[in-house]
Amino acid sequence: DIQLTQSPSFLSASVGDKVTITCRARQGVGSFLAWYQQKPGKAPKLLIYGASTLQSGAPSRFSGSGSGTEFTLTISSLQTEDFATYYCQQQNSYPITFGPGTKVDIK
Amino acid sequence: QPQLQESGPGLVKPSETLSLSCNVSGGSIDSGSYYWGWIRQPPGKALEWIGNIYYSGKTFYNPSLKSRVTISLDTSKNRFSLRVTSVSVADTAVYHCARRPSFSGYESFDYWGQGILVTVSS
Repeated sequence: DIQLTQSPSFLSASVGDKVTITCRARQGVGSFLAWYQQKPGKAPKLLIYGASTLQSGAPSRFSGSGSGTEFTLTISSLQTEDFATYYCQQQNSYPITFGPGTKVDIK
Repeated sequence: QPQLQESGPGLVKPSETLSLSCNVSGGSIDSGSYYWGWIRQPPGKALEWIGNIYYSGKTFYNPSLKSRVTISLDTSKNRFSLRVTSVSVADTAVYHCARRPSFSGYESFDYWGQGILVTVSS
């Protein structure tokens, strides 16, 4: 299994801040990496796939970069509705695996 | 836009079988180029992929669950199903069904059901 780690696990930020979350893979996953946003009691929402492609309907303040073993999700200007937990996920090889999550909270 | 909705019992006894269905509307599950998957999330924990079924019927399972899991398609009812045998308290989770396109290989789970909480308890 390809293990994914995320840092930080918890992030406290203010509206308007630029936020960066990192996802690292134990083995290379090429660009087969996605990012999701999840709010309490809701299903995850796909933000980024293919490491850097913005999912249709996702706000343009979200961007992704990286390849191989290190990836980042950047929120250019944090909005109130962005306070949530973010997960990375790889599909380079089975089994598909998810990171442990990064919770973004209000400072 | 497709809509996915999970259904099934919310309470299952230990050692019994968990059975869930995912009803899909707004598109046909055998129209091609989609995987249909199950992902679960124990309370307060991260997401865990259970398995996928391709529109052709080919299945892919997480080895951690493979011996207990079956995913199947029911094209007549436009739904797919999950069975997990010999459940224990460790299988208590919110179970989500989701769609994953496979046009380029890079697409990921773009549409999800709201999820159904399944509790394993006697």
